[in-house]
Amino acid sequence: AQSVTQPDIHITVSEGASLELRCNYSYGATPYLFWYVQSPGQGLQLLLKYFSGDTLVQGIKGFEAEFKRSQSSFNLRKPSVHWSDAAEYFCAVGAMGYQKVTFGTGTKLQVIP
Amino acid sequence: DARVTQTPRHKVTEMGQEVTMRCQPILGHNTVFWYRQTMMQGLELLAYFRNRAPLDDSGMPKDRFSAEMPDATLATLKIQPSEPRDSAVYFCASGLGTGNSNQPQHFGDGTRLSIL
Repeated sequence: AQSVTQPDIHITVSEGASLELRCNYSYGATPYLFWYVQSPGQGLQLLLKYFSGDTLVQGIKGFEAEFKRSQSSFNLRKPSVHWSDAAEYFCAVGAMGYQKVTFGTGTKLQVIP
Repeated sequence: DARVTQTPRHKVTEMGQEVTMRCQPILGHNTVFWYRQTMMQGLELLAYFRNRAPLDDSGMPKDRFSAEMPDATLATLKIQPSEPRDSAVYFCASGLGTGNSNQPQHFGDGTRLSIL
């Protein structure tokens, strides 16, 4: 069975600082990996996805993520955080041929001035 | 931009009442998902459909929940009878699924349900 672990429930960073959100997955074959962001009162919005190819993927809003098979990780990064990035971030993993994905429990990001 | 539309956005009702939540997937998407989000359990997959046929509803309490797709433009999630523990935000998502690819899901803004 596939699973996703987001070890950090809550992270606080200063505006302008760099950000890295951790995601570890468990899946027996090549995973399909996603990062979503959820602002209060809204649904989840796709930030980026990894299906195959280049292990460093670029997403919207200046985010990127790197797939590391050896570490079963897909960490999300941003070089300089803006106050508008405060939200909850979800990592998800899926299997080829299906759209059913498993979501992590989320990391809530707080940005302080 | 094409969006997944969910109605109602908010629903407050008394225990025992029937609740119906509706979802209009993005035109052309053939896969529809229903999720429930709570503080305690996070995001849970309740059911999903491909080409209007249910593929997996193992996450859904069968005795009171039912999900259908009367046509390609409408998905419904019903709770009857509703209970306070059903209070949550219910999300619908849609996507374009093919045999060998995983296109990302697009989420609606959710229905916030409160059962008194």
